[in-house]
Amino acid sequence: TQLLEQSPQFLSIQEGENLTVYCNSSSVFSSLQWYRQEPGEGPVLLVTVVTGGEVKKLKRLTFQFGDARKDSSLHITAAQPGDTGLYLCAGVESGNTPLVFGKGTRLSVIA
Amino acid sequence: NAGVMQNPRHLVRRRGQEARLRCSPMKGHSHVYWYRQLPEEGLKFMVYLQKENIIDESGMPKERFSAEFPKEGPSILRIQQVVRGDSAAYFCASSPLSTGGNSPLHFGNGTRLTVT
Repeated sequence: TQLLEQSPQFLSIQEGENLTVYCNSSSVFSSLQWYRQEPGEGPVLLVTVVTGGEVKKLKRLTFQFGDARKDSSLHITAAQPGDTGLYLCAGVESGNTPLVFGKGTRLSVIA
Repeated sequence: NAGVMQNPRHLVRRRGQEARLRCSPMKGHSHVYWYRQLPEEGLKFMVYLQKENIIDESGMPKERFSAEFPKEGPSILRIQQVVRGDSAAYFCASSPLSTGGNSPLHFGNGTRLTVT
């Protein structure tokens, strides 16, 4: 079973559209991280959220951590072709448990 | 400002051979993690090491796989007697603290292992 479920799995949109991708779990996490991965490269950290209800903004990207710390969302405003990539959420349950990843949302933004 | 360095980038092995994957963490990072990624899959945790110690190997197969992070030199993920199912991208990541302290991971660009 997958600890972190990401949806949608694939998303193809036109440049300028808005989108939201989700990361859900039945477990509580002490923190959640979002990474972006491009073909042939390793994931790169976008943001870490640690407080339930926390909202963080990174230019056109808005990240939210659910109140119960079981889920998170990533909203992109006015998507651009440069946003194309695999978006991965990852969480730490507690203590020294390893960082576990969802399967990711593969986003394609068409010019 | 060297990031996490993995080599080789691509490795081809025949069934039954050994594969050695190397990872040099970022300067100042003493925590190393290995993950495996299959197409259309997320990253699966394999093993977590600190200098000279294996902290958590719960994600690593009990047979044929081993990892080390010696006092000097890179971390090594070793796969003996490789099988086709071992074909995947193997990523190494490092951090200055354990991920339990909400420390993010810095990833290398992976080693793509193909077993023929």
